[in-house]
Amino acid sequence: NAGVTQTPKFQVLKTGQSMTLQCAQDMNHEYMSWYRQDPGMGLRLIHYSVGAGITDQGEVPNGYNVSRSTTEDFPLRLLSAAPSQTSVYFCASSYSLGNTEAFFGQGTRLTVV
Amino acid sequence: QQQVKQSPQSLIVQKGGISIINCAYENTAFDYFPWYQQFPGKGPALLIAIRPDVSEKKEGRFTISFNKSAKQFSLHIMDSQPGDSATYFCAASKGNTGNQFYFGTGTSLTVIP
Repeated sequence: NAGVTQTPKFQVLKTGQSMTLQCAQDMNHEYMSWYRQDPGMGLRLIHYSVGAGITDQGEVPNGYNVSRSTTEDFPLRLLSAAPSQTSVYFCASSYSLGNTEAFFGQGTRLTVV
Repeated sequence: QQQVKQSPQSLIVQKGGISIINCAYENTAFDYFPWYQQFPGKGPALLIAIRPDVSEKKEGRFTISFNKSAKQFSLHIMDSQPGDSATYFCAASKGNTGNQFYFGTGTSLTVIP
C-alpha cells in the first residue's frame, strides 16, 4: 500500500514550457486535490475532484488544468509555465464526503526559470 | 484574503516545555479543524482534528482547544520533544466539501534539547 505517490519529485522548467505532474493513490479514495505550498502562505487549493469525471476549481486555479479519468489518478497540467508557478506541489486524497483525513503525497518541487 | 490566520510564524521551546500555536477563522460554516504536521521534504500528515461540538480534544501530548464563540482554536504540545520539531499547519473545512481545506500559514517549531 503506497498511499499517495507523486512524480517527479523535482523539476526545472523554462518559462512557457508545459508539463504534467502525476499523482496516483491506491487507497480507493473518492476525493483528490492539488495544493501548492509557498513560503509564508501555507497550502492553497488549486483544483479538486470528488470522483472520476468530476473536477472543480479551488482558490488558485489559473494556469493549471486537471482531469480525473480514473479513481486512482489525478494529474495536474501546467499549460505554459511562469516563474510565479515556482512552488512545491502536493497531491492529497481522502476517503469520502464530509470531513475526513487527507493523505498527502511527498510533493513535487517545481522551479520555473 | 487568508481564511485561517495562524500565529506565531516560528516558535522555539525548551525540551519538556509547552508549545502553543493559535489559529483564528472567520467563516462560521467551517465545521472541521485539523492540525497537520510537516517534516522537511515530506508531505503534511494529520496530527489531530476537532469538530466544533466539543471544546477540547486530547491525543497523547497533543491537545486542541476550541472556542466557537471567539472563532479560535489552538494546538498545545505538552512535554515538547526535539522530535516534535517540524512545521505545523492549522486548517478548516466545510462539512460537505471533501478535501477543500483552508490552511493557515504555518508555524515552524524548534524544540531545543
